[in-house]
Amino acid sequence: QKEVEQNSGPLSVPEGAIASLNCTYSDRVSQSFFWYRQYSGKSPELIMSIYSNGDKEDGRFTAQLNKASQYVSLLIRDSQPSDSATYLCAVRNYGQNFVFGPGTRLSVLP
Amino acid sequence: DTEVTQTPKHLVMGMTNKKSLKCEQHMGHRAMYWYKQKAKKPPELMFVYSYEKLSINESVPSRFSPECPNSSLLNLHLHALQPEDSALYLCASSQENTIYFGEGSWLTVV
Repeated sequence: QKEVEQNSGPLSVPEGAIASLNCTYSDRVSQSFFWYRQYSGKSPELIMSIYSNGDKEDGRFTAQLNKASQYVSLLIRDSQPSDSATYLCAVRNYGQNFVFGPGTRLSVLP
Repeated sequence: DTEVTQTPKHLVMGMTNKKSLKCEQHMGHRAMYWYKQKAKKPPELMFVYSYEKLSINESVPSRFSPECPNSSLLNLHLHALQPEDSALYLCASSQENTIYFGEGSWLTVV
């Protein structure tokens, strides 16, 4: 069983819509969760981190965490073509080990 | 400032060459990482240094040799690589709960 799972996509949404990205993880003791955005040919860029159950909002981005369901999501409101990228979910399991999911490709259509 | 600097940005090397990738951060982070990323795949952890000591080696072949000369620098020495080692090599550092990536070094082995 993979430690961090995501739908590979591509997920296509029209400009201005809400994009919903999902991630599940297998290790119940995981404490820290992250969303990274990676444009083609570039390195991953941190968007959000979340540590407690519930929602965390930052501008157009909202991260949601449900530890009981081992589920973390990212909502992007008012999606823009510039949001088109691969979104990586990452989980910190123990020590300094950060594990990445396979990523979801998002395409925002003008 | 969340800057992790990697050099070179691009490297082409033959299978008999010896080369090194370099990484530097001045954020006072005590953990530093090397990840390898192939096209359309997530970053895969190679090595973690914590307080300048190697703490995680994810069964990486010995043709990759990490070195941490001090708390700000991390090197990856390359020798006798194979064409399948061609990838984006990402350096990262972390403080507490967040990991930050450099821009990466694109490696091509011919």
